[in-house]
Amino acid sequence: AQSVSQHNHHVILSEAASLELGCNYSYGGTVNLFWYVQYPGQHLQLLLKYFSGDPLVKGIKGFEAEFIKSKFSFNLRKPSVQWSDTAEYFCAVGIYNQGGKLIFGQGTELSVKP
Amino acid sequence: KAGVTQTPRYLIKTRGQQVTLSCSPISGHRSVSWYQQTPGQGLQFLFEYFSETQRNKGNFPGRFSGRQFSNSRSEMNVSTLELGDSALYLCASSHTSGGEETQYFGPGTRLLVL
Repeated sequence: AQSVSQHNHHVILSEAASLELGCNYSYGGTVNLFWYVQYPGQHLQLLLKYFSGDPLVKGIKGFEAEFIKSKFSFNLRKPSVQWSDTAEYFCAVGIYNQGGKLIFGQGTELSVKP
Repeated sequence: KAGVTQTPRYLIKTRGQQVTLSCSPISGHRSVSWYQQTPGQGLQFLFEYFSETQRNKGNFPGRFSGRQFSNSRSEMNVSTLELGDSALYLCASSHTSGGEETQYFGPGTRLLVL
């Protein structure tokens, strides 16, 4: 069965620190990859997505992610976090042509200390 | 465009009752997916509807059902509620089903079963 693994359950950083959240998935075929963010009290919002092409994708708010096919990974990065980045981050995988179904990782809670 | 809307936002039910949740997708979106979010299990896919047809289904018991109307609005029904059904139920819509699609999420309906 397909699965998505996020390595860190809770990450605590100080402002201006760099961020990297790990995401690995298990599926050998074509996938669509996403990172969603859930700010406290708000709904899931799309940060960035990868379908094909350049494996380095840029999203909103200075986030980027790199797809490494050989490692089945799609890690999220940000060079300098802000207090406002405090949120829960979810990696999700969609299997190409299995419409409408996203498989989510367990989420990583990011706390940024001012 | 208006985002995905879900009603009601909060619900309290007792065991054995049934409940119906509603989701209105983004205008022009024809695919609607439903997810259950709990602290223990995270985000799990329930089912997806596209053009009034269920195209994909997750591993939930038959007590969980849904439907989609000709205007793409969708409803989800849970019969014979159990305490473990307490969760945030999220609806997501996308323009297409399969291939390269992006799901946009609503705020969710928080269901508490007593």
